[in-house]
Amino acid sequence: DSGVTQTPKHLITATGQRVTLRCSPRSGDLSVYWYQQSLDQGLQFLIQYYNGEERAKGNILERFSAQQFPDLHSELNLSSLELGDSALYFCASSVDWTGRQGEQYFGPGTRLTVT
Amino acid sequence: GQNIDQPTEMTATEGAIVQINCTYQTSGFNGLFWYQQHAGEAPTFLSYNVLDGLEEKGRFSSFLSRSKGYSYLLLKELQMKDSASYLCAPDQTGANNLFFGTGTRLTVIP
Repeated sequence: DSGVTQTPKHLITATGQRVTLRCSPRSGDLSVYWYQQSLDQGLQFLIQYYNGEERAKGNILERFSAQQFPDLHSELNLSSLELGDSALYFCASSVDWTGRQGEQYFGPGTRLTVT
Repeated sequence: GQNIDQPTEMTATEGAIVQINCTYQTSGFNGLFWYQQHAGEAPTFLSYNVLDGLEEKGRFSSFLSRSKGYSYLLLKELQMKDSASYLCAPDQTGANNLFFGTGTRLTVIP
């Protein structure tokens, strides 16, 4: 158990809909990262927040957005869903940046299925 | 930017030793992470190399050559549970996130 929690574990929804994925980082971790992993694909970095502020953006679509709240939990909002958005969405947390500050700890993921 | 090269798939026999190679190109380098990911599960941290050389941690060891942009993960006494994807991720100076390659899918056979 990494200490990172994600809800829900599974989500099935229809095209065109909007969903919100939630992540609570490990206690004491200030950075939250969101990743998308499609079937048999690598981890695609989406976005990072540090202490409430957006710090880095990866391959995140305009239909997707995220935020980190004062209590440090984060939400990833996916709208106008398409079939291709079906994937595992992972949240990870770390104390600060990557590297010398320590590794990233991953949550169990949310499996999103768009039908 | 970053570029990572790992073999896509490898197969090895239970009890054997396997070496998973990773070459990388990055502008600025702090160190290199290795993660293990079982199918459908979250990646878990294996190692982080900063200095050149081999670091051993039980059945798993990781090697780094900074000058060659090269690392490998060595798994000894393979067990069936080691069947997983192994992801190498260079830690780039000044970057706010890790860039993961597609990883190497290792299959351990009896």
